[in-house]
Amino acid sequence: NAGVTQTPKFRVLKTGQSMTLLCAQDMNHEYMYWYRQDPGMGLRLIHYSVGEGTTAKGEVPDGYNVSRLKKQNFLLGLESAAPSQTSVYFCASRLDSTVWGEAFFGQGTRLTVV
Amino acid sequence: GNSVTQMEGPVTLSEEAFLTINCTYTATGYPSLFWYVQYPGEGLQLLLKATKADDKGSNKGFEATYRKETTSFHLEKGSVQVSDSAVYFCALSARGQNFVFGPGTRLSVLP
Repeated sequence: NAGVTQTPKFRVLKTGQSMTLLCAQDMNHEYMYWYRQDPGMGLRLIHYSVGEGTTAKGEVPDGYNVSRLKKQNFLLGLESAAPSQTSVYFCASRLDSTVWGEAFFGQGTRLTVV
Repeated sequence: GNSVTQMEGPVTLSEEAFLTINCTYTATGYPSLFWYVQYPGEGLQLLLKATKADDKGSNKGFEATYRKETTSFHLEKGSVQVSDSAVYFCALSARGQNFVFGPGTRLSVLP
């Protein structure tokens, strides 16, 4: 029973390098989200998707890109990493937009940019 | 816009103490309310939820009641354990909106 799986779990990047974080869900959920979690800042929404082939910006989208080519996968890309992107990244999914539906979270990816 | 306010802590309690973490919200319409818990090194997981006014969500000894008149959803537990040490997030979901999370409250329970 996998739920939401994120890869990798840890990564260290040098400033200017690029990388892609992968989120996969096996629950046939329509909605998927990428958040970052920083000390004292709670969860901040980076980008989200309401279905295959769609993406939208959240509250902190700058420096990130996303793609949702397949319903089960949601990729988060960093084209040129900066130290300010050091954070813990969480992917989440949700069945649809019903108000009472819960979000399911992955285990997180701890990214350090040096 | 919609928002969630919760006490930020940290909260430190002795084992078997009573826990209250306050959460208040601002939202239009009739949101659903949630408490998520994040154990060290893990992602968030749903602890309990309530979908309409006066509903009480409960799980693992934790309870919270959806109070529309005071726009609150306070989390309570009668006797905390060391294993309850975690960060607790209050959240709301409103029609046509993404989830809105509070800043989280760190709870430490000492033996």
